[in-house]
Amino acid sequence: EVQLVQSGAEVKKPGESLKISCEGSGYSFAFYWIGWVRQMPGKGLEWMGIFYPGDSGTRYSPAFQGHVTFSGDKSISTAYLHWSSLKASDTAIYYCARSYTPNGHMDVWGQGTTVTVSS
Amino acid sequence: QSVLTQPPSASGTPGQRVTISCSATNSNIGTNPVTWYQQLPGTAPTLLIYSNNQRPSGVPDRFSASKSGTSASLAISGLHSEDEADYYCAAWDDSLNGPGVVFGGGTKLTVL
Repeated sequence: EVQLVQSGAEVKKPGESLKISCEGSGYSFAFYWIGWVRQMPGKGLEWMGIFYPGDSGTRYSPAFQGHVTFSGDKSISTAYLHWSSLKASDTAIYYCARSYTPNGHMDVWGQGTTVTVSS
Repeated sequence: QSVLTQPPSASGTPGQRVTISCSATNSNIGTNPVTWYQQLPGTAPTLLIYSNNQRPSGVPDRFSASKSGTSASLAISGLHSEDEADYYCAAWDDSLNGPGVVFGGGTKLTVL
């Protein structure tokens, strides 16, 4: 079964750093893009950007460029989303999702990681 | 602000047919295929329709979609109570401001 399993919920303070993970299984992880999508409380979906595990290529949405970093380790089929300094406005559910091409549809989604940033 | 515009809500009774529209304000999006995602309450989104009108395996044929120019629509026939969910259209926007996926604002479907 093809699946993406994300790391558990996080509660952090403003200014702290955080890295959440997305582990793929059941397919060749290196050959599919991993997109990241934000959903703020009660709001819609926002595309943050996309990461290619095969060569660590990245494309960021302008709205998120400079505030988050995508990375991954194809040897353990895992992609990461990293913040160096969280803000309260980063409170949201973050989803990873698989895509065969960077501009294609996302056919498999992780269960989501809830990030709460509060002082 | 989404460049894909959806009605915020839609409703229907069991057995009815409902449609949800998705209108692009950017002509770049009009040249790219539209995807539809379903998000059941409290769960992650799932792929419902890709390449304007293709259903992944496992999606009932009650769900159909079409695209014409810069507008797309999702139709659900024979509405079921379990279809109550948020529905999002999405497409690739290759504008110079930053290519990427854009989502519509989402439509909350209520089954009365």
